[in-house]
Amino acid sequence: DGGITQSPKYLFRKEGQNVTLSCEQNLNHDAMYWYRQDPGQGLRLIYYSQIVNDFQKGDIAEGYSVSREKKESFPLTVTSAQKNPTAFYLCASSRRRESYEQYFGPGTRLTVT
Amino acid sequence: EDQVTQSPEALRLQEGESSSLNCSYTVSGLRGLFWYRQDPGKGPEFLFTLYSAGEEKEKERLKATLTKKESFLHITAPKPEDSATYLCAVQAPSSNTGKLIFGQGTTLQVKP
Repeated sequence: DGGITQSPKYLFRKEGQNVTLSCEQNLNHDAMYWYRQDPGQGLRLIYYSQIVNDFQKGDIAEGYSVSREKKESFPLTVTSAQKNPTAFYLCASSRRRESYEQYFGPGTRLTVT
Repeated sequence: EDQVTQSPEALRLQEGESSSLNCSYTVSGLRGLFWYRQDPGKGPEFLFTLYSAGEEKEKERLKATLTKKESFLHITAPKPEDSATYLCAVQAPSSNTGKLIFGQGTTLQVKP
């Protein structure tokens, strides 16, 4: 079955530590995205990538970094510079040209204390 | 500024009581409007894409419609398993990147 996987489902970190969230897709999609979801707010775009080795900042990129070395993978690093890292993080992917429907992974809930 | 507003924030229905959720948008030229369903603690599940005013899409008890300024998600004779948060998102022509602008969602609770 094709789909998007995110790991881990829950992640706990101490303040000041960097943490990397995994996102893998086997849908053969070109584009991948990272969103952040907080209670009472819509999904906000952190970073996106249209092709391998290329990515752009979204609306709230400060304190985050990404890489896109393989088409299937788009890991997100939450750095110690991110002031409010506790949130639900969602990865999505879409075909680049034929359709812009985005399909989401199950999410990672990050708690930083 | 491109914006998406969903109403109501929360909706409680009795099983079988039909209703509609609203998604109003302000974008300069719509490339697509998307509806998703999200269960607690899970990622959004894609439901529909609408591209032009007058278009309608149906799936089981759900029907999505689109006008030039808003979209409605009609729920006919809902069941408790339809309880979820429904998200609306739009894609503007200024975005060639696939970037979606999301509303805050409507949380639907259907009581048996």
